[in-house]
Amino acid sequence: AQSVTQLDSHVSVSEGTPVLLRCNYSSSYSPSLFWYVQHPNKGLQLLLKYTSAATLVKGINGFEAEFKKSETSFHLTKPSAHMSDAAEYFCVVSLTGGGNKLTFGTGTQLKVEL
Amino acid sequence: EPEVTQTPSHQVTQMGQEVILRCVPISNHLYFYWYRQILGQKVEFLVSFYNNEISEKSEIFDDQFSVERPDGSNFTLKIRSTKLEDSAMYFCASSVQPTGAYGYTFGSGTRLTVV
Repeated sequence: AQSVTQLDSHVSVSEGTPVLLRCNYSSSYSPSLFWYVQHPNKGLQLLLKYTSAATLVKGINGFEAEFKKSETSFHLTKPSAHMSDAAEYFCVVSLTGGGNKLTFGTGTQLKVEL
Repeated sequence: EPEVTQTPSHQVTQMGQEVILRCVPISNHLYFYWYRQILGQKVEFLVSFYNNEISEKSEIFDDQFSVERPDGSNFTLKIRSTKLEDSAMYFCASSVQPTGAYGYTFGSGTRLTVV
């Protein structure tokens, strides 16, 4: 079985300060891990993905995430938040070679203040 | 950049009515999916589809749901007799490979409201 835990339902940062959105996963097999972003009334946009290559993954809009197998974590970071980053972020896991179903976390709402 | 297109963006239907949600996946993608998100809840997997067959389905995907690829471009989700609890955002997705090595592309969703 696979699962994803997003540790914070809401995160609030000031514009220009770092962003950290936390994600822990549970998987019996080698996972593929993703971060998706959902802006209000929009679809799910892929930010970045980890599929057993480099453990530090760079995505769009300055976001990156590091896969840490020993900690079963895949936290999303950005050095400097922008107002346009305000959205809901989902950590997602898929089993490599174990099927094609995605399991979503409950989401983290990121608020960016002036 | 290629997109997954979903229509309609919003649908309001009366309880007991049939609805068909439509999706046009990316043209060279072979694997197709439906997910749903009830307001305030997680995004949940409904069904995956490959080679004109269902590959996997969740417990949610009961007999009132069906999927079809009626032609070379459309992928549809039919709900035969809608219930109030079917109200949700429904997302279509497609991928080149099943394992997500190249990611999954989602559409913008159809917001279904059952009254």
